[in-house]
Amino acid sequence: GAVVSQHPSWVICKSGTSVKIECRSLDFQATTMFWYRQFPKQSLMLMATSNEGSKATYEQGVEKDKFLINHASLTLSTLTVTSAHPEDSSFYICSAPRDRRGSYGYTFGSGTRLTVV
Amino acid sequence: AQRVTQPEKLLSVFKGAPVELKCNYSYSGSPELFWYVQYSRQRLQLLLRHISRESIKGFTADLNKGETSFHLKKPFAQEEDSAMYYCASNTGNQFYFGTGTSLTVIP
Repeated sequence: GAVVSQHPSWVICKSGTSVKIECRSLDFQATTMFWYRQFPKQSLMLMATSNEGSKATYEQGVEKDKFLINHASLTLSTLTVTSAHPEDSSFYICSAPRDRRGSYGYTFGSGTRLTVV
Repeated sequence: AQRVTQPEKLLSVFKGAPVELKCNYSYSGSPELFWYVQYSRQRLQLLLRHISRESIKGFTADLNKGETSFHLKKPFAQEEDSAMYYCASNTGNQFYFGTGTSLTVIP
């Protein structure tokens, strides 16, 4: 149980375009979704935390207008990379607590590899 | 399908005892493997990567290609090691996380 489905798995886009990444909780309600980014050879970096029905909380240094997060329902959170540039190329991974408080750990999406050309 | 398996959801050991958190992966190639740790109320942190072969906080993990395992070990567990541990693999196109093992070190 507690599966998060992330799509697309990989995407190539032109510089200046926008890309939407979706994370769906398939068999549980994800009131909170964490969005991470991973640069090569580095750890996951938390970008933002989204809560269903409210604005996302962004980490310091993450541009809110560039990385738009929407969490309109208990089963869907989206991350839109707007006006993408080559430096946005990275792995993006979502994660949700299996229960409301995360007492039973977290489940992760399989990641989206974004390449901006 | 590529998978990362952590067979133990919960693991309890006494302080000072050795600890091993198991991780098995299924991938025919050479994935990059990681261990992440999440302490209570803190963010996910990278504990170690198999490529760097570092020993962080006394933890080590050796990639065993024959057994397709990447078990995390520490010879003497400390109370502050109590946390959630996630094994993960990166095949180049996708990340796979295990379901996590909750480690409790008993004083």
